[in-house]
Amino acid sequence: EDQVTQSPEALRLQEGESSSLNCSYTVSGLRGLFWYRQDPGKGPEFLFTLYSAGEEKEKERLKATLTKKESFLHITAPKPEDSATYLCAVQAPGTYKYIFGTGTRLKVLA
Amino acid sequence: GAVVSQHPSWVICKSGTSVKIECRSLDFQATTMFWYRQFPKQSLMLMATSNEGSKATYEQGVEKDKFLINHASLTLSTLTVTSAHPEDSSFYICSAGTSGSPLTYEQYFGPGTRLTVT
Repeated sequence: EDQVTQSPEALRLQEGESSSLNCSYTVSGLRGLFWYRQDPGKGPEFLFTLYSAGEEKEKERLKATLTKKESFLHITAPKPEDSATYLCAVQAPGTYKYIFGTGTRLKVLA
Repeated sequence: GAVVSQHPSWVICKSGTSVKIECRSLDFQATTMFWYRQFPKQSLMLMATSNEGSKATYEQGVEKDKFLINHASLTLSTLTVTSAHPEDSSFYICSAGTSGSPLTYEQYFGPGTRLTVT
């Protein structure tokens, strides 16, 4: 069965304390793995698309990596404004639909 | 680029009335849009896939007669919640996509609409 699992469910970091969020997936024929950031009461904001194992993408303090079984979202020296829920999704085989993980709620303390 | 808007951002309606939510892709054309529902502290639940010029495809368990979807143009899809009841109160989010590669579809999300049915 195609599925996406994110861990941890919640994470509290001190400002400047780097860490990684995990997204494990099982899907036949990966066409894309997507990372989003969602603030409370808002729609998800697109961060990255990863297409194949070994690929990496960066944006400010965020870096996303991809292997054949999982993706990591590395957060370097986070700031309080990085606090949000981070969602991972993969594109379901043969469709444009996404399979979402349940998200990681990140809280960065000043 | 890739901006998606929704209107209204929030709405309160009385039980039994209908509510229409608009989703627009502002700077690109989208043949396919998606409608999601999100409950507090939960992930997004796909309700339906909206295809320009054809009928929407609903996910299992979603009442198509209650949640009417119209995708009249390449930049506009609407969701109408008919005969709304308090249990329909939720956060509704749409997305519109572009092809990041020949087989990949990147979805860009609207800001969401908070519906409260009294």
